[in-house]
Amino acid sequence: SAVISQKPSRDICQRGTSLTIQCQVDSQVTMMFWYRQQPGQSLTLIATANQGSEATYESGFVIDKFPISRPNLTFSTLTVSNMSPEDSSIYLCSVGAGYGYEQYFGPGTRLTVT
Amino acid sequence: AQTVTQSQPEMSVQEAETVTLSCTYDTSENNYYLFWYKQPPSRQMILVIRQEAYKQQNATENRFSVNFQKAAKSFSLKISDSQLGDTAMYFCAFMKHWSGSGNTGKLIFGQGTTLQVKP
Repeated sequence: SAVISQKPSRDICQRGTSLTIQCQVDSQVTMMFWYRQQPGQSLTLIATANQGSEATYESGFVIDKFPISRPNLTFSTLTVSNMSPEDSSIYLCSVGAGYGYEQYFGPGTRLTVT
Repeated sequence: AQTVTQSQPEMSVQEAETVTLSCTYDTSENNYYLFWYKQPPSRQMILVIRQEAYKQQNATENRFSVNFQKAAKSFSLKISDSQLGDTAMYFCAFMKHWSGSGNTGKLIFGQGTTLQVKP
């Protein structure tokens, strides 16, 4: 399995501002994913980030709101832009192992927007 | 579209006893993967067990085992000899198999079951 770290672990942000979340993996991986977990809810995939290509967004998520970078095989960032209280969630990155049949998750970033 | 349903929002079990968490899914795919993830209060998602749909044999990992019924689209998790550290939210998840190079990797999660292990 991969060791995944995320920064920050939590943050409280003002409405209208942006926050960039970092995800670092201890080994090179092809596929990285960003999920959102709203309070008390399940996980929803935001986008898939493959190195060397544009991120692929799921229905309901757009690049202007959640821009993603994937500069190399061990790192990715997710930005939550122009935040509103509805963006208060836990944001998790994950990586695919092997052919991606198994995914391993980072510890998550708990975001609160006031 | 695939859906995953966990009909038990909360469950509890006494320490050392056995508990079974239910999961059903809906898909028209024939090749896919099913997973159980554990999310303790610390929120780190941990992969507990996985099952390939083409395998008839049920997966086991130490105290954790599954009952995979492909025709019924059912995928339950049995935890034997429950321990206090098993207290967590458990998510059932589905991933479609992609026959191209690699996998799309999209996990579809159920709503989760909160399990409380009591001393």
